[in-house]
Amino acid sequence: RKEVEQDPGPFNVPEGATVAFNCTYSNSASQSFFWYRQDCRKEPKLLMSVYSSGNEDGRFTAQLNRASQYISLLIRDSKLSDSATYLCVVGLYSGGGADGLTFGKGTHLIIQP
Amino acid sequence: NAGVTQTPKFQVLKTGQSMTLQCAQDMNHEYMSWYRQDPGMGLRLIHYSVGAGITDQGEVPNGYNVSRSTTEDFPLRLLSAAPSQTSVYFCASSSTGGAGYEQYFGPGTRLTVT
Repeated sequence: RKEVEQDPGPFNVPEGATVAFNCTYSNSASQSFFWYRQDCRKEPKLLMSVYSSGNEDGRFTAQLNRASQYISLLIRDSKLSDSATYLCVVGLYSGGGADGLTFGKGTHLIIQP
Repeated sequence: NAGVTQTPKFQVLKTGQSMTLQCAQDMNHEYMSWYRQDPGMGLRLIHYSVGAGITDQGEVPNGYNVSRSTTEDFPLRLLSAAPSQTSVYFCASSSTGGAGYEQYFGPGTRLTVT
């Protein structure tokens, strides 16, 4: 069974703080990893792909730990606009159909002024 | 570019009624898929298509039909609506390979079955 587990939160974090959350996956054969962002009552949008060497995009850093089967997302200097639900997505293939993707239930982040 | 569009945005059906949720994309993507999102659940794949004329079942296909006669359109048909189909439905498209490439989602259709 494909499983992707996330802490649902909510994470309540003051503006300007650093916040991190993890996602674990059960299938060791998984080959592609992503973080999506979903605002309230909106569609998910890709935040960043996660590469084996880790990657950074501005205030966002994603890491992959294949040995322990988890990926992480770190947000530095958090902004009010970062408030959203963050979905962890794991792909069974490096490329292919949507049938290879498993979505986590999401972590709800609230940035407080 | 409009990206992925879905109609209607909201729909209320009575049990037993049928309807079609429309999805269109203007990015010439080969892959299209339908998901449903329920409170406390992750997005679950209903049906997907790897190109015009080719469709396949996802994780939760029962009660839904799809067809893909063109690259642009991928409608989802509810054959006989049930309260368990109350959900938010998202259509998505991607190019070349879905799992390894960005999924572009439509704005969603909120369906209530009474």
